[in-house]
Formats: sequence, C-alpha cells, structure tokens
Amino acid sequence: GDSVTQMEGPVTLSEEAFLTINCTYTATGYPSLFWYVQYPGEGLQLLLKATKADDKGSNKGFEATYRKETTSFHLEKGSVQVSDSAVYFCALSAYSGNTPLVFGKGTRLSVIA
Amino acid sequence: GAVVSQHPSWVICKSGTSVKIECRSLDFQATTMFWYRQFPKQSLMLMATSNEGSKATYEQGVEKDKFLINHASLTLSTLTVTSAHPEDSSFYICSAFRDRGIYSTDTQYFGPGTRLTVL
Repeated sequence: GDSVTQMEGPVTLSEEAFLTINCTYTATGYPSLFWYVQYPGEGLQLLLKATKADDKGSNKGFEATYRKETTSFHLEKGSVQVSDSAVYFCALSAYSGNTPLVFGKGTRLSVIA
Repeated sequence: GAVVSQHPSWVICKSGTSVKIECRSLDFQATTMFWYRQFPKQSLMLMATSNEGSKATYEQGVEKDKFLINHASLTLSTLTVTSAHPEDSSFYICSAFRDRGIYSTDTQYFGPGTRLTVL
C-alpha cells in the first residue's frame, strides 16, 4: 500500500539555521504531496502542497519540490525561527477528490534562540 | 478560511462509559469527513470515512461497533467511543473536504483534535 517515510526526530536547531526534513513516499500512480504542521496544542495546518512532478510548494519561507525520480518531497527552510517549533508531517493523497491522507510519523522541530 | 471545530477538546472518562466527539465544518458543507487517531509521538492513522446520509466506511482493524460514526448533516459528523477502555485513550482528529463546486479545491481541513483519556 501507499506509505510515507520521513526522517526521525526530534530535530533541534539554532535560530537562523538551515532546515531540511527528508520525506520519501511509495505510491502507485501520481499522488499529491503535502506538508502539514502541528503547533503545540493546535490542530494540523496545511503548510504547502504539490500536485504533480517538479511542482514546488512554498509558504512562510518553507519550500518542497515534488521529485518523481527520487519519490521525495523534502521540506526546507533557509532560516528557521523559534516560532517554527512544531511537529511537521509529510503526507500523500493517492487520488484527487475526497480521499484521505497517508501520513508520515512526523518530525518534531525545536528551534532555540 | 475554512474552519473545522471539534468538541470537546479533551475528555476524561471512566472505563466502560461512552464518549461522543463532534466534528463540525463551520463555514462550509462537507459531504465527506474523515476520522483519524494519533498515538503519542506517532502518525495519524485513518480510522474511517464518514459520508453524509450513508454508513461510514471503516479501515481494516477498526471495530465499527466500538467506534460509531454518524454523519447526520452536511456540517456535522460524530464519533462515539462505546464502552471505552484505557487502550482507547488517544488523540482523535477529524478532517473535512469542502464540497466540490466551481471554486473548490482538494484541500482537507483539520479539526484541532480531541484528547480522550480513559481511566
């Protein structure tokens, strides 16, 4: 079945450091790919998405590029802030429309001043 | 933006009791909602798909008689954990798709989650 594998955490970085959270997937067909963020005490929020190969999703300084050849969707940010501390989930949706998401296990990021 | 609420946000109950969790789409209609379960430090696992006006579709391994889902209207789905036991303690999260229309997207909107603790 479809699956998402993301790097184990926790990840601790100093403010203004470069962030990479690796995500790879296994899916039949051409899934849509997502990054969700969960801040402490809050629900999941969509951070960015890409629906086809070579698409780049971006939001709030975060970026991820849909790489079909390596089945990857790595999340990057050039300069993290303390407010970016959260749990980040990589996810895929196998089909368009009202289909559920398959999530990775999540990566906890802590940014220290 | 689209908002999905859940109530209650947390609940503590005694073993053997039943607990109902509500998921509401506040500013849009949602024919389809999903219920997920999140264990500590683990990912979200899909429990069931809730469809307005029809029976829910449960994932393999999820007991439909234990986790009753009712999608009574286009803005409300409920999950009832019947005869709860400590192993049912978890974080339950719902999500909803805005019903398709001319300007619809394929984005899921997530509720803030409900933390259930069964003593």
